[in-house]
Amino acid sequence: DSGVTQTPKHLITATGQRVTLRCSPRSGDLSVYWYQQSLDQGLQFLIQYYNGEERAKGNILERFSAQQFPDLHSELNLSSLELGDSALYFCASSTTSGLHNEQFFGPGTRLTVL
Amino acid sequence: AQSVTQPDIHITVSEGASLELRCNYSYGATPYLFWYVQSPGQGLQLLLKYFSGDTLVQGIKGFEAEFKRSQSSFNLRKPSVHWSDAAEYFCAVGAGGTSYGKLTFGQGTILTVHP
Repeated sequence: DSGVTQTPKHLITATGQRVTLRCSPRSGDLSVYWYQQSLDQGLQFLIQYYNGEERAKGNILERFSAQQFPDLHSELNLSSLELGDSALYFCASSTTSGLHNEQFFGPGTRLTVL
Repeated sequence: AQSVTQPDIHITVSEGASLELRCNYSYGATPYLFWYVQSPGQGLQLLLKYFSGDTLVQGIKGFEAEFKRSQSSFNLRKPSVHWSDAAEYFCAVGAGGTSYGKLTFGQGTILTVHP
């Protein structure tokens, strides 16, 4: 158990819908990362937040957005869902922002878009 | 932009045999390199990392990796594989240094261990 929690574990929805994935980082960690793992794209970095502010951005679609709240939990919002958005979405956290700090991964949320 | 290649999609070894998983990276500056392991239904766990210094790094669960700048490689090794090592292994290169922590992952290598 990494100490990072993600809810829900599984999510099944239809095309065109909007969903919210939630992540609670390890106690004391200020940085949160979101990754998408799919069969065709592999494991891809989406976005990083540090202490409430966006720190780095990857190949995140405009239909996707994220935020980190004052209590440091984070939410990833996916809208106008398409079949290709079906994937495993991981959240990770670390103590501060840089690469010297290990990123601890949560168990993931499996999103299925029908 | 950085990239990582793991040439082997699937490797099968016998329990007790040695293991080497290959990783080649592309990055303009001094790389931050990582190996992660993902067991079925689990998140990723860090095995080891390289930032600088000694090119042979030791990790958890008896794994080690060697950084070879001339070959742009960071291969993962284990002298004797256990059945519990069966999992998917990801090599990653990091961008951002101390400012941020973007990881770029390879496609992964699935390890099967025969008894």
